[in-house]
Amino acid sequence: EDQVTQSPEALRLQEGESSSLNCSYTVSGLRGLFWYRQDPGKGPEFLFTLYSAGEEKEKERLKATLTKKESFLHITAPKPEDSATYLCAVLANTGGFKTIFGAGTRLFVKA
Amino acid sequence: NAGVTQTPKFQVLKTGQSMTLQCAQDMNHEYMSWYRQDPGMGLRLIHYSVGAGITDQGEVPNGYNVSRSTTEDFPLRLLSAAPSQTSVYFCASSYIDRGIGTQYFGPGTRLLVL
Repeated sequence: EDQVTQSPEALRLQEGESSSLNCSYTVSGLRGLFWYRQDPGKGPEFLFTLYSAGEEKEKERLKATLTKKESFLHITAPKPEDSATYLCAVLANTGGFKTIFGAGTRLFVKA
Repeated sequence: NAGVTQTPKFQVLKTGQSMTLQCAQDMNHEYMSWYRQDPGMGLRLIHYSVGAGITDQGEVPNGYNVSRSTTEDFPLRLLSAAPSQTSVYFCASSYIDRGIGTQYFGPGTRLLVL
């Protein structure tokens, strides 16, 4: 069964303290892996799509990487405005058009 | 460009009542989907559509109906509401590009079933 697991569930950082969020997946052939940011009371907002192992994408303080079993979202020198829930999702080759989401990591960045 | 819009923002229903959650997009996306989000469980796919007249079930379709008569609109119908359907509902849309590409989400509908 296709599965997505995110860790940790919650992460508290000081401003400027770099860290990484993990997304491990078990799918029968990966078609795409997606990262989203979700602020309280709002819908998820797209960040990155990764298609193959070794691929990396960057946007401001965020960098997403992909291996054959997991993806990392690296946050460099975070600011309080980076506080949000970060969601990982996968689309499998056998999944048609069904995206599977992880439960998310809640990030808190303190000034 | 309004993106993905959802109405209502918040709704309270009694058990057994029916209602329709509205979703519209103005980006000419082929793919549209409905998710529910419950605490600690992430987003779960209810139904999706890859074009007008074409719909399919997701992970948790029971108790929900959908139809897609136009590219723009994708309403979600609750036939007989149950307390287990209390949740936040998100609609999303996307081009069908190497799968479904980037999904754009609406602001959500918060549903409380008493």
